[in-house]
Amino acid sequence: GENVEQHPSTLSVQEGDSAVIKCTYSDSASNYFPWYKQELGKGPQLIIDIRSNVGEKKDQRIAVTLNKTAKHFSLHITETQPEDSAVYFCAEGDFNKFYFGSGTKLNVKP
Amino acid sequence: ETGVTQSPTHLIKTRGQQVTLRCSSQSGHNTVSWYQQALGQGPQFIFQYYREEENGRGNFPPRFSGLQFPNYSSELNVNALELDDSALYLCASRTGGLGEQYFGPGTRLTVT
Repeated sequence: GENVEQHPSTLSVQEGDSAVIKCTYSDSASNYFPWYKQELGKGPQLIIDIRSNVGEKKDQRIAVTLNKTAKHFSLHITETQPEDSAVYFCAEGDFNKFYFGSGTKLNVKP
Repeated sequence: ETGVTQSPTHLIKTRGQQVTLRCSSQSGHNTVSWYQQALGQGPQFIFQYYREEENGRGNFPPRFSGLQFPNYSSELNVNALELDDSALYLCASRTGGLGEQYFGPGTRLTVT
Protein backbone atom coordinates (compact mmCIF):
# COMPACT_ATOMS: atom_id res chain seq x y z
CA GLY A 1 0.00 0.00 0.00
CA GLU A 2 1.09 3.54 -0.58
CA ASN A 3 1.21 4.31 3.13
CA VAL A 4 3.14 1.25 4.26
CA GLU A 5 6.60 0.02 3.28
CA GLN A 6 7.45 -3.60 4.03
CA HIS A 7 10.87 -5.32 3.95
CA PRO A 8 12.19 -7.72 2.88
CA SER A 9 10.10 -8.83 -0.09
CA THR A 10 11.47 -12.38 0.20
CA LEU A 11 13.03 -14.16 3.16
CA SER A 12 14.51 -17.63 3.26
CA VAL A 13 15.44 -19.22 6.59
CA GLN A 14 16.41 -22.63 7.86
CA GLU A 15 13.88 -24.50 9.97
CA GLY A 16 14.35 -23.52 13.61
CA ASP A 17 15.81 -20.10 12.83
CA SER A 18 14.06 -16.80 13.50
CA ALA A 19 12.46 -14.55 10.88
CA VAL A 20 11.96 -10.79 11.16
CA ILE A 21 9.81 -8.64 8.88
CA LYS A 22 9.73 -4.85 9.19
CA CYS A 23 7.22 -2.19 8.17
CA THR A 24 7.20 1.59 8.26
CA TYR A 25 4.15 3.81 7.92
CA SER A 26 3.43 7.49 7.50
CA ASP A 27 -0.03 8.16 8.97
CA SER A 28 0.41 9.24 12.58
CA ALA A 29 -3.36 8.83 13.14
CA SER A 30 -3.16 5.05 12.67
CA ASN A 31 -4.05 3.11 15.79
CA TYR A 32 -4.18 -0.51 14.72
CA PHE A 33 -1.37 -2.64 13.31
CA PRO A 34 -2.28 -6.21 12.29
CA TRP A 35 -0.18 -8.86 10.61
CA TYR A 36 -1.68 -11.33 8.17
CA LYS A 37 -0.58 -14.64 6.69
CA GLN A 38 -1.81 -15.53 3.22
CA GLU A 39 -1.52 -19.01 1.79
CA LEU A 40 -2.00 -19.80 -1.86
CA GLY A 41 -5.62 -19.56 -2.97
CA LYS A 42 -6.86 -18.18 0.33
CA GLY A 43 -7.68 -14.82 1.82
CA PRO A 44 -5.34 -13.26 4.41
CA GLN A 45 -5.65 -14.57 7.95
CA LEU A 46 -4.83 -12.52 11.04
CA ILE A 47 -1.93 -13.93 13.03
CA ILE A 48 -1.33 -11.12 15.53
CA ASP A 49 -2.24 -7.48 16.00
CA ILE A 50 -1.19 -4.58 18.19
CA ARG A 51 -2.79 -1.29 19.12
CA SER A 52 -1.03 2.03 19.36
CA ASN A 53 -1.02 2.12 23.15
CA VAL A 54 1.04 -1.08 23.35
CA GLY A 55 4.73 -1.48 22.48
CA GLU A 56 5.03 -5.23 22.27
CA LYS A 57 2.78 -8.28 22.10
CA LYS A 58 3.63 -11.96 22.03
CA ASP A 59 1.65 -15.08 21.17
CA GLN A 60 3.67 -18.29 21.43
CA ARG A 61 6.28 -18.17 18.63
CA ILE A 62 5.04 -14.89 17.20
CA ALA A 63 5.72 -11.39 18.52
CA VAL A 64 5.11 -7.89 17.25
CA THR A 65 6.83 -4.67 18.32
CA LEU A 66 5.63 -1.14 17.64
CA ASN A 67 7.57 2.12 17.79
CA LYS A 68 5.02 4.90 17.26
CA THR A 69 7.59 7.66 17.47
CA ALA A 70 9.63 6.19 14.64
CA LYS A 71 6.50 4.89 12.86
CA HIS A 72 7.70 1.36 12.42
CA PHE A 73 6.59 -2.08 13.56
CA SER A 74 8.05 -5.54 13.19
CA LEU A 75 6.96 -9.18 13.16
CA HIS A 76 9.20 -11.76 14.81
CA ILE A 77 8.72 -15.50 14.29
CA THR A 78 10.92 -17.79 16.38
CA GLU A 79 11.63 -21.49 15.89
CA THR A 80 10.30 -21.36 12.33
CA GLN A 81 8.65 -24.46 10.87
CA PRO A 82 8.00 -25.43 7.22
CA GLU A 83 4.29 -24.70 7.70
CA ASP A 84 5.21 -21.06 8.40
CA SER A 85 6.06 -20.74 4.69
CA ALA A 86 3.58 -18.25 3.20
CA VAL A 87 3.24 -14.58 2.28
CA TYR A 88 3.02 -12.21 5.25
CA PHE A 89 1.47 -8.75 5.14
CA CYS A 90 1.64 -5.93 7.63
CA ALA A 91 -1.18 -3.41 7.72
CA GLU A 92 -2.01 -0.19 9.49
CA GLY A 93 -5.21 1.72 9.89
CA ASP A 94 -8.00 3.05 11.98
CA PHE A 95 -11.76 2.52 12.29
CA ASN A 96 -12.56 3.26 8.65
CA LYS A 97 -9.47 2.46 6.60
CA PHE A 98 -6.69 -0.09 6.34
CA TYR A 99 -3.54 -0.09 4.26
CA PHE A 100 -1.42 -3.14 3.59
CA GLY A 101 2.25 -3.54 2.88
CA SER A 102 3.42 -5.21 -0.32
CA GLY A 103 4.13 -8.54 1.36
CA THR A 104 7.04 -10.78 2.37
CA LYS A 105 7.31 -14.25 0.94
CA LEU A 106 8.76 -16.42 3.71
CA ASN A 107 10.33 -19.74 2.79
CA VAL A 108 11.30 -22.05 5.65
CA LYS A 109 13.67 -24.76 4.46
CA PRO A 110 13.46 -28.12 6.24
CA GLU B 1 -12.77 -21.31 7.38
CA THR B 2 -13.74 -17.78 8.37
CA GLY B 3 -17.49 -17.88 7.67
CA VAL B 4 -17.11 -15.17 5.00
CA THR B 5 -18.16 -16.34 1.57
CA GLN B 6 -17.77 -14.68 -1.82
CA SER B 7 -19.28 -15.33 -5.21
CA PRO B 8 -18.45 -16.04 -7.89
CA THR B 9 -15.07 -17.69 -7.44
CA HIS B 10 -13.83 -16.72 -10.89
CA LEU B 11 -15.14 -14.33 -13.49
CA ILE B 12 -14.06 -13.25 -16.96
CA LYS B 13 -15.32 -9.96 -18.37
CA THR B 14 -14.59 -7.78 -21.38
CA ARG B 15 -13.21 -4.25 -21.17
CA GLY B 16 -16.05 -1.73 -20.84
CA GLN B 17 -18.46 -4.15 -19.19
CA GLN B 18 -19.85 -3.93 -15.67
CA VAL B 19 -19.46 -6.52 -12.91
CA THR B 20 -21.07 -7.23 -9.53
CA LEU B 21 -19.27 -9.25 -6.87
CA ARG B 22 -20.98 -10.54 -3.75
CA CYS B 23 -19.95 -11.14 -0.17
CA SER B 24 -21.72 -12.77 2.72
CA SER B 25 -20.35 -11.59 6.05
CA GLN B 26 -19.70 -13.68 9.10
CA SER B 27 -22.71 -13.81 11.39
CA GLY B 28 -22.94 -10.80 13.71
CA HIS B 29 -20.50 -8.65 11.72
CA ASN B 30 -21.86 -5.22 10.76
CA THR B 31 -18.76 -3.86 9.01
CA VAL B 32 -17.46 -5.00 5.64
CA SER B 33 -14.43 -3.84 3.69
CA TRP B 34 -13.48 -4.56 0.10
CA TYR B 35 -9.95 -4.90 -1.21
CA GLN B 36 -8.30 -5.29 -4.61
CA GLN B 37 -5.23 -7.53 -4.70
CA ALA B 38 -3.17 -7.54 -7.89
CA LEU B 39 -0.88 -10.51 -8.48
CA GLY B 40 2.14 -10.37 -6.19
CA GLN B 41 0.90 -7.28 -4.36
CA GLY B 42 -0.72 -6.50 -1.05
CA PRO B 43 -4.48 -5.90 -0.79
CA GLN B 44 -5.49 -2.31 -1.58
CA PHE B 45 -8.36 -0.82 0.40
CA ILE B 46 -11.32 0.10 -1.83
CA PHE B 47 -13.99 1.08 0.71
CA GLN B 48 -15.76 0.11 3.91
CA TYR B 49 -19.44 -0.11 4.84
CA TYR B 50 -20.83 0.10 8.36
CA ARG B 51 -24.53 -0.50 8.91
CA GLU B 52 -25.35 0.05 5.21
CA GLU B 53 -23.42 3.34 4.89
CA GLU B 54 -20.03 3.85 3.25
CA ASN B 55 -17.78 5.26 5.97
CA GLY B 56 -14.32 4.96 4.46
CA ARG B 57 -12.80 4.94 0.99
CA GLY B 58 -9.38 4.35 -0.49
CA ASN B 59 -7.89 5.82 -3.63
CA PHE B 60 -10.32 4.28 -6.13
CA PRO B 61 -12.44 6.11 -8.75
CA PRO B 62 -16.24 6.44 -8.47
CA ARG B 63 -16.79 3.60 -10.96
CA PHE B 64 -16.07 1.36 -7.96
CA SER B 65 -19.23 1.40 -5.86
CA GLY B 66 -20.85 -0.78 -3.27
CA LEU B 67 -23.89 -1.69 -1.27
CA GLN B 68 -24.46 -3.26 2.11
CA PHE B 69 -27.81 -4.86 2.85
CA PRO B 70 -29.77 -5.08 6.14
CA ASN B 71 -28.49 -8.63 6.67
CA TYR B 72 -24.95 -7.17 6.26
CA SER B 73 -24.20 -9.00 3.04
CA SER B 74 -22.65 -6.68 0.46
CA GLU B 75 -21.85 -6.08 -3.18
CA LEU B 76 -18.98 -4.50 -5.05
CA ASN B 77 -19.89 -3.01 -8.42
CA VAL B 78 -17.33 -1.97 -11.00
CA ASN B 79 -18.42 -0.07 -14.11
CA ALA B 80 -16.54 0.48 -17.37
CA LEU B 81 -14.05 -2.30 -16.66
CA GLU B 82 -10.42 -1.70 -17.58
CA LEU B 83 -7.68 -4.25 -18.14
CA ASP B 84 -5.96 -3.09 -14.91
CA ASP B 85 -9.04 -4.11 -12.94
CA SER B 86 -7.93 -7.71 -13.33
CA ALA B 87 -7.19 -8.84 -9.77
CA LEU B 88 -8.37 -10.85 -6.78
CA TYR B 89 -11.17 -9.01 -4.98
CA LEU B 90 -11.40 -9.71 -1.27
CA CYS B 91 -14.05 -8.80 1.20
CA ALA B 92 -13.53 -8.82 4.94
CA SER B 93 -16.03 -8.50 7.74
CA ARG B 94 -15.77 -7.60 11.41
CA THR B 95 -17.80 -6.18 14.25
CA GLY B 96 -17.69 -2.39 14.64
CA GLY B 97 -14.56 -0.82 16.06
CA LEU B 98 -10.96 -1.92 15.78
CA GLY B 99 -10.51 -5.64 15.66
CA GLU B 100 -9.90 -8.72 13.63
CA GLN B 101 -11.10 -8.71 10.05
CA TYR B 102 -12.19 -12.06 8.64
CA PHE B 103 -11.42 -12.40 4.95
CA GLY B 104 -13.28 -14.40 2.36
CA PRO B 105 -11.43 -16.49 -0.24
CA GLY B 106 -11.83 -13.81 -2.91
CA THR B 107 -13.18 -13.51 -6.43
CA ARG B 108 -10.64 -13.71 -9.26
CA LEU B 109 -11.67 -11.19 -11.94
CA THR B 110 -10.04 -11.27 -15.36
CA VAL B 111 -10.72 -8.44 -17.79
CA THR B 112 -9.86 -9.13 -21.44
